[in-house]
Amino acid sequence: SQQGEEDPQALSIQEGENATMNCSYKTSINNLQWYRQNSGRGLVHLILIRSNEREKHSGRLRVTLDTSKKSSSLLITASRAADTASYFCATFDMRFGAGTRLTVKP
Amino acid sequence: DAEITQSPRHKITETGRQVTLACHQTWNHNNMFWYRQDLGHGLRLIHYSYGVQDTNKGEVSDGYSVSRSNTEDLPLTLESAASSQTSVYFCASSETTAGGDEKLFFGSGTQLSVL
Repeated sequence: SQQGEEDPQALSIQEGENATMNCSYKTSINNLQWYRQNSGRGLVHLILIRSNEREKHSGRLRVTLDTSKKSSSLLITASRAADTASYFCATFDMRFGAGTRLTVKP
Repeated sequence: DAEITQSPRHKITETGRQVTLACHQTWNHNNMFWYRQDLGHGLRLIHYSYGVQDTNKGEVSDGYSVSRSNTEDLPLTLESAASSQTSVYFCASSETTAGGDEKLFFGSGTQLSVL
């Protein structure tokens, strides 16, 4: 079974808007990671948040983690057309969900 | 620069044939993984290895096998290809860290069609 489940499945926004994606997981974790996949390519690691962290920033990315709710969110601020991709979360056992497909319209 | 490469990029085969997909990494990573990606299912873990001579089954291992004879390579074999195994296959690797913060590095994928 998949450990991480992303929500929503698809998200469409205008350039400049913020995009928020959520991830829920089932068991205790040491860390949670977010990855990005451009169409037809392999996944690329974006950011890792440890279980003792509540929030982490990297450029225009902001990740939060709520271990009591077993959930995480990825916020992309001031989105660009180049952010169009699928985004996945993964837990320590390297299992992924189905991803969120983000489309940013210019 | 270190990298992880998969070959071939595209493969068409017939039902019942044995197929091997190659994965080679020059990161010197201990850990290697094989995933398949299908619409609506995301990435599903097939097999993984934490070092030479070590292999483990993932969530969708039936019909697949791997062997790890060196650090750099983890070939994935479909013993008798089935149409249900038509998919995009991704190989990934990671190094073992003391804190458990392994990050995966992915290959570009192999598109396999079983006719």
